[in-house]
Amino acid sequence: GENVEQHPSTLSVQEGDSAVIKCTYSDSASNYFPWYKQELGKRPQLIIDIRSNVGEKKDQRIAVTLNKTAKHFSLHITETQPEDSAVYFCAASNTGTASKLTFGTGTRLQVTL
Amino acid sequence: DVKVTQSSRYLVKRTGEKVFLECVQDMDHENMFWYRQDPGLGLRLIYFSYDVKMKEKGDIPEGYSVSREKKERFSLILESASTNQTSMYLCASSSPGGGYAEAFFGQGTRLTVV
Repeated sequence: GENVEQHPSTLSVQEGDSAVIKCTYSDSASNYFPWYKQELGKRPQLIIDIRSNVGEKKDQRIAVTLNKTAKHFSLHITETQPEDSAVYFCAASNTGTASKLTFGTGTRLQVTL
Repeated sequence: DVKVTQSSRYLVKRTGEKVFLECVQDMDHENMFWYRQDPGLGLRLIYFSYDVKMKEKGDIPEGYSVSREKKERFSLILESASTNQTSMYLCASSSPGGGYAEAFFGQGTRLTVV
C-alpha cells in the first residue's frame, strides 16, 4: 500500500517568514495530493490540493508543488501569520480506490511574533 | 455546510468492554472513513466504506469492526476494548468526486480505555 513520509515534524518560524513542509510518497499510482490543516482542538480541514497532472498550484499565501518523478510534494506558506499555527497533514490517494487517503505523520507549525 | 457529527466528544471505557463510536453525515456522501490519530503517527485509516453495507479494511483494522446499515451512518466497534486503543478517533466522509473529493471530518472522539 501507499506510504507517505512527512518532514519536519515540528517547525517554528517568525511571523512574516516562509514555511516549507515536505512529503514523499511511495505508490507511483497515487494521483491526488491534498493538504489538511488542523488547529488546536479542531477537526482537520482541506486547505489546498493538487492533482498529478499539475506541477504547482497557488492560493493566496499557500502553494503546493509536485514532483512526480521524485515522488515528492511540498507545501509552501509565505508571509506567515500567527493564525497559520496548526498541525499540517499531507496525504496521497489513488483515485481508483474510493478516495482512500493515506496521511503523513503531520507537521506542527508554530508562528512566533 | 457539510456536517459530520460524532456521537461523543469524550469517552471513558473499561478494558474488555464493547465500545460503539457513531458517526453521522448529512451530505449524502457515499464514502465514509474511520481514522485514529496518535501523536507522531498522524491519521491512520482503520476502515472505510464506499456504499451501504460495504466495508473495506484500512491500514490498522485489528481489534475493530464497522457497520454501515444506512448511508448517513457509519459505526466503529471495538469488540473488546484494550488500553492500546486509547486514542482520538476521527470519522470522515466524502463524495466519490472521481476520487478527487474533499474529506470532511467530524469533531473527533477522544477515547480513554482504563
